[in-house]
Amino acid sequence: GAVVSQHPSWVICKSGTSVKIECRSLDFQATTMFWYRQFPKQSLMLMATSNEGSKATYEQGVEKDKFLINHASLTLSTLTVTSAHPEDSSFYICSARGGSKAPPFYEQFFGPGTRLTVL
Amino acid sequence: GEDVEQSLFLSVREGDSSVINCTYTDSSSTYLYWYKQEPGAGLQLLTYIFSNMDMKQDQRLTVLLNKKDKHLSLRIADTQTGDSAIYFCAESIEGNTGGFKTIFGAGTRLFVKA
Repeated sequence: GAVVSQHPSWVICKSGTSVKIECRSLDFQATTMFWYRQFPKQSLMLMATSNEGSKATYEQGVEKDKFLINHASLTLSTLTVTSAHPEDSSFYICSARGGSKAPPFYEQFFGPGTRLTVL
Repeated sequence: GEDVEQSLFLSVREGDSSVINCTYTDSSSTYLYWYKQEPGAGLQLLTYIFSNMDMKQDQRLTVLLNKKDKHLSLRIADTQTGDSAIYFCAESIEGNTGGFKTIFGAGTRLFVKA
């Protein structure tokens, strides 16, 4: 299957700082990327959907000024957690889905996740 | 509304069959999926079923879909210790911008006893 990477795999930061997480599709062009947040023993919560070259669509309750998403190319999307606070500590997972020349549109490929700890 | 529910824990003996159940609420689902997450790893698509199908079999995996009851199940035959993981049920529905988004259940932790 297609490969999606995330960097970093874990990050610890001080409260008030900003953290950027990268998501890359390594062997296919991802026309759509998704960002999820996963709490312990809970489901993946969809935060936002981004299409290459356009603004991300945020789910209800997700602050777009807090979680900045950029999908500048067909292989890279970034999530920036601005002015992070301890309650932002979580496991962030991205996934990617390709277009007509990529793996079937119904399949999302997931990155390994990034664990963010805000002190 | 968009909601996917599944039981949180299942324990079986090695060699037995495992059945993980899931219910969903959105009747407009196009595809329904089962994903597997092993510790420290990302989600891996196990299998999927299109909403106009009742059953799909893929080696040891059997997916049953009851669209009337909005019930999806995953049966793993001859369960092995390597099948121990968290299994997520998910549905693909049309998003606000016309594209599709995937809604996940909370995951069922499968524990296989040797």
